[in-house]
Amino acid sequence: GAGVSQSPSNKVTEKGKDVELRCDPISGHTALYWYRQSLGQGLEFLIYFQGNSAPDKSGLPSDRFSAERTGGSVSTLTIQRTQQEDSAVYLCASTTSRDRMAEAFFGQGTRLTVV
Amino acid sequence: GQQVMQIPQYQHVQEGEDFTTYCNSSTTLSNIQWYKQRPGGHPVFLIQLVKSGEVKKQKRLTFQFGEAKKNSSLHITATQTTDVGTYFCAGPVDTSRRALTFGSGTRLQVQP
Repeated sequence: GAGVSQSPSNKVTEKGKDVELRCDPISGHTALYWYRQSLGQGLEFLIYFQGNSAPDKSGLPSDRFSAERTGGSVSTLTIQRTQQEDSAVYLCASTTSRDRMAEAFFGQGTRLTVV
Repeated sequence: GQQVMQIPQYQHVQEGEDFTTYCNSSTTLSNIQWYKQRPGGHPVFLIQLVKSGEVKKQKRLTFQFGEAKKNSSLHITATQTTDVGTYFCAGPVDTSRRALTFGSGTRLQVQP
């Protein structure tokens, strides 16, 4: 596609339910990031995928969060047993770079609201 | 922990005034990137700096990378209402982590 695509754009869920957020990176981009942005705040790193290497999961806030990237392309971020503090915009970005030297292209984000 | 700090957090200027945001890293960076996020939008890449002391210009925007490669600045001359948004710097701060670390951002409001 022309850019990074994320779905859904908005998600309202009840506390305790599981949610899945999807990211379609730019074709050919080997690196994919997930970030979380709370209202008026900066970007909090969650997880990073690079090619077939083991992902860098060091930013995941708890074991309720997991992510996978199938076939080196589409990625899903899963949040189990959602809590109100999980409410935020979840941003996905992709890049061609192996060494963090290239521009990151961001999707429009998924706004998650846990009620 | 290793991080990237930005100041100020917020700045309100009159249209036509200049604006500067500063980015400081706790570690030496191989490169630094700057992004702009409009209200309600997603971050969009502006520029990357790689060399010590590098200065790059994009119209009214001037980007600088410090000699020690631990700080950077973005200066906007004669701000316009279209400059409104949050400006983030980002860099590979943590060598044990492969991801870009983003600064806390500076939110710019321009009064017409």
